Amino acid sequence: EIVVTQSPGTLSLSPGERATLSCRASQSCEYLAWYQQKPGQPPRLLIYDGSYRAAGIPDRFSGSGSGADFTLTINRLEPEDFAVYYCQHYATQVWTFGQGTRVEI
Amino acid sequence: EVQVVESGGGLVEPGRSLRLSCTASGFTFGDHPMAWFRQAPGKGLEWVSYIRTKGYSETTEYAASVRGRFTMSRDDSKSVAYLQMNSLEIEDTAIYYCSKSLRIVGDAFDIWGQGTVVTVSS
Repeated sequence: EIVVTQSPGTLSLSPGERATLSCRASQSCEYLAWYQQKPGQPPRLLIYDGSYRAAGIPDRFSGSGSGADFTLTINRLEPEDFAVYYCQHYATQVWTFGQGTRVEI
Repeated sequence: EVQVVESGGGLVEPGRSLRLSCTASGFTFGDHPMAWFRQAPGKGLEWVSYIRTKGYSETTEYAASVRGRFTMSRDDSKSVAYLQMNSLEIEDTAIYYCSKSLRIVGDAFDIWGQGTVVTVSS
């Protein structure tokens, strides 16, 4: 069973600051994606292939990493960026999410 | 507008069945793998099932928690994906989201519906 661990669980920051979110898997990923979810809304794809921004995603969002260790960075937090972020690991026909990181004011 | 819309959720007793539908529009449905995900109240996201395109024989994958109880299928002529859920358990209570794969390899999912609520309770 693949285990995906996100850290920290909660990140308390102010608008304009930088957020750094971590995602670590128990085995290497074939693909790694990041999603944003706000209360009462479905997830929104931010990053795929570890570092490629999805359509319409502002360039303050960036992804990096390889293997089993990945990072999502949000530069200059905007008020609308306060949400829960999930990483999604894909390998051998199984898609596994981390438990999420809440970015709060 | 590219979108998917889920339907078919509701309140059902443990052990009973339910079929969810996912109706797509705004894109060539048959060109994309599709998936179902779920989110239990106050919890994180969980992948449920995945179906490939006709070119990949519409083969399916399932999470261990639902394998043998849930069946995913698709009807490209109607642009609809289905999730047949049998032997439902209380732990299946969740919002069920349908999603479109970004690419043929099914690595990420770029279009999500608003979800349909499934409540399993006696």
